[in-house]
Amino acid sequence: DAGITQSPRHKVTETGTPVTLRCHQTENHRYMYWYRQDPGHGLRLIHYSYGVKDTDKGEVSDGYSVSRSKTEDFLLTLESATSSQTSVYFCAISVGGPGELFFGEGSRLTVL
Amino acid sequence: DQQVKQNSPSLSVQEGRISILNCDYTNSMFDYFLWYKKYPAEGPTFLISISSIKDKNEDGRFTVFLNKSAKHLSLHIVPSQPGDSAVYFCAAGNFGNEKLTFGTGTRLTIIP
Repeated sequence: DAGITQSPRHKVTETGTPVTLRCHQTENHRYMYWYRQDPGHGLRLIHYSYGVKDTDKGEVSDGYSVSRSKTEDFLLTLESATSSQTSVYFCAISVGGPGELFFGEGSRLTVL
Repeated sequence: DQQVKQNSPSLSVQEGRISILNCDYTNSMFDYFLWYKKYPAEGPTFLISISSIKDKNEDGRFTVFLNKSAKHLSLHIVPSQPGDSAVYFCAAGNFGNEKLTFGTGTRLTIIP
């Protein structure tokens, strides 16, 4: 079974500080994604990766960067956090048929 | 521009009755559609999908209907059970493009 570990699960930080969220998968799935969930907006794609060092932007990529140096790890970085980036962040991997994603449990980030 | 829309933020249904969740989309080029279910403090989980070449797909108590001429997707749950209380997201995608577009979600509450 696919497994995803997101860390940290909860974080409170101040405006202007850098933040890195980590997603670790236990299998060798090629595609990994970072989404954010906000009330009234549903799930929006931030960035995704289709292999080691291969990444692309989603619909809300401004203010975020990603890195994937190993198949199992996908990092999301907020270089200088803003209050608008307060959200719940979900990592996902592509499993099964088209569009079938397996999501992690989420990382709740609060930017004060 | 919201390509996938869920116009009902919430829905309450009596236990044992049918729950119907609706989703509209604007992009006629979507190749497949999916429904995800999300409980509080957990990641979304894949529920059911349908290809654009079909108009119905059934899996146990869950049936998804696709009306391409109306650009409308619906999820029927029969009979509804208390464990079905969750937020439901519809999503759409294209073959060869690994990015899903999600709706804003509908909170379903099953009343015992």
